[in-house]
Amino acid sequence: KAGVTQTPRYLIKTRGQQVTLSCSPISGHRSVSWYQQTPGQGLQFLFEYFSETQRNKGNFPGRFSGRQFSNSRSEMNVSTLELGDSALYLCASSPSGLAGLVSEQFFGPGTRLTVL
Amino acid sequence: QKEVEQNSGPLSVPEGAIASLNCTYSDRGSQSFFWYRQYSGKSPELIMFIYSNGDKEDGRFTAQLNKASQYVSLLIRDSQPSDSATYLCAVNMRYYNQGGKLIFGQGTELSVKP
Repeated sequence: KAGVTQTPRYLIKTRGQQVTLSCSPISGHRSVSWYQQTPGQGLQFLFEYFSETQRNKGNFPGRFSGRQFSNSRSEMNVSTLELGDSALYLCASSPSGLAGLVSEQFFGPGTRLTVL
Repeated sequence: QKEVEQNSGPLSVPEGAIASLNCTYSDRGSQSFFWYRQYSGKSPELIMFIYSNGDKEDGRFTAQLNKASQYVSLLIRDSQPSDSATYLCAVNMRYYNQGGKLIFGQGTELSVKP
């Protein structure tokens, strides 16, 4: 099976702009989670989508949003970019459809966002 | 107290030795535990997951879980230089058990010396 794909791999934006990142999960996986990774804060959960619905949300401002399409592909959007948004944004795909135990998550290669 | 804590390292072991990586978590109700390996400049790669108390072995890797002590560890036997990476512990928190919110530790950097 093909792995998780993310586009674009690298992005350079300036403050105030907005950005959209895309993630295609492993075929058959219905859950997509997004994480932000920075040297100082490590890996932090942004949100999780399952069957086009946001099921969980982390502690990020409303400038961070996402959505999931009927084919399970997901996008995340960051509006009004700030310098501190520079990070590696990771998408993770999981077969999980059940409440309770969390199934294993498989990460994509990430999108490296630099905000100037 | 951090939700998931790991020693940042670096942990240095000689080739062929056993590397022991440790992780503690704050939520006694946590049910799912994962170990990821991350090479510099790459994304995390799943190594092991464990749900029940005790040991789980997969090749050179053994995950150990002790829910009473809120402790999970990863042992790497016969360590190889290619095992040099940052190892991330991830825990699913009880209050977020409907879905995929994982809380990650800061990671332990492992260096295996030839």
